[in-house]
Amino acid sequence: EVHLVETGGGLIQPGGSLRLSCAASGFTVSSSYMSWVRQAPGKGLEWVSVFYIGGSIYYADSVKGRFTISRDDSKNTLHLQMDSLRAEDTAVYYCARGVTRYYFENWGQGTLVTVSS
Amino acid sequence: EIVLTQSPATLSLSPGERATLSCRASQSVSSYLAWYQQKPGQAPRLLISDASNRATGIPARFSGSGSGTDFTLTISSLEPEDFAVYYCQQRGSWYTFGQGTKLDIK
Repeated sequence: EVHLVETGGGLIQPGGSLRLSCAASGFTVSSSYMSWVRQAPGKGLEWVSVFYIGGSIYYADSVKGRFTISRDDSKNTLHLQMDSLRAEDTAVYYCARGVTRYYFENWGQGTLVTVSS
Repeated sequence: EIVLTQSPATLSLSPGERATLSCRASQSVSSYLAWYQQKPGQAPRLLISDASNRATGIPARFSGSGSGTDFTLTISSLEPEDFAVYYCQQRGSWYTFGQGTKLDIK
């Protein structure tokens, strides 16, 4: 059974950094299209970043240059390094798995990131 | 960026009724469109991919149709557990989501 567990969220001051992790089981992250998708409180869904099977990486314009996605195949884990955090980055961050590069078939339960002074 | 517009924003229906949700894209996404269901405090769940293919384990009362710029999610007969927020998502050009349709009990 596919299972995704995100950790690393919390309260951080503007300008600070945070690293999210997504531990996967039931499949291998290196054989899947792994993404981060976020949801601000009471708002809709926003794609953040994707790590393709072949190693290509892409970011939404809103986080480009501040966030870094990475993958640890030995631990079957996905990470999101978030730097220069802003209040508008406050959201629940979901790790999501794509069987193809088109959709998000499996989701974790999410981890809340709050950027506030 | 391709913008997805969902309508209506809120749909109030009773169990047993038919629900029709719309998603319109600002430019063609071919059939690269998905629908997700999200209940309060839960992660989204994939319902439909490629505009009309039900995901594994999704009941047959959920169906999707459309191509190009206009898409529809239909729930043929609402069950109590279907009241939730529904999002469409495109992958014609990167990933964007619609703003959601809240389906609530009348």
